[in-house]
Amino acid sequence: EVHLVESGGGLVQPGGSLRLSCAASGFAFDDYAMHWVRQAPGKGLEWVSGISWNSGTRDYADSVKGRFTISRDDAKNSLYLQMNSLRAEDTALYYCAKDREGYNRGQLDYWGQGNLVTVSS
Amino acid sequence: QSALTQPPSVSGSPGQSVTISCTGTSSDVGSYNRVSWYQQPPGTAPKLMIYEVSNRPSGVPDRFSGSKSGNTASLTISGLQAEDEADYYCSSYTSTNTLVFGGGTKLTVL
Repeated sequence: EVHLVESGGGLVQPGGSLRLSCAASGFAFDDYAMHWVRQAPGKGLEWVSGISWNSGTRDYADSVKGRFTISRDDAKNSLYLQMNSLRAEDTALYYCAKDREGYNRGQLDYWGQGNLVTVSS
Repeated sequence: QSALTQPPSVSGSPGQSVTISCTGTSSDVGSYNRVSWYQQPPGTAPKLMIYEVSNRPSGVPDRFSGSKSGNTASLTISGLQAEDEADYYCSSYTSTNTLVFGGGTKLTVL
């Protein structure tokens, strides 16, 4: 059974940094692209970033480009999101999600339960 | 990266059919068959219901079906059940190798 478990969220001041992690199990992690998707309180889903199976392709939403960095460690079956220069509008529940394919094609067949990031002074 | 356009809400009675539309552009929905639909009941993570426009993952009832015409994709739920009440989101792969979601549609089962 596929499991995705996010961690690393919390309260951070504007301008601060945070690193999210996602521990994956139940599938061949190094065969698939992975994504981060966020959902602000009471709002819809917003794609944040995706990384291909071999880390050769990393893509970002315009809203986070230059501030966030996605990475993966296949030896640890883990996905990461380094978030710098955080803003109030980055406050959201951050989901880790698995792609159905090895490259970023955006068809997300498994999702974690989400991890809350709150940016506030 | 403008969001895809969905109606904010739809409703139907048990046993009826409802259709949710999802309108994009020639840079996303109109050019790619990587259109997906997700179901999100309150307080839960999204669940993939349809991928590649019209394919259902294992375990998704065949009451759920998807289609596409031009820049607009659609999700149809037939034989509506109380358990179908949830928010539904469409998404599409785009020409800039990104993913765009719709704003979401709240389905109410009357």
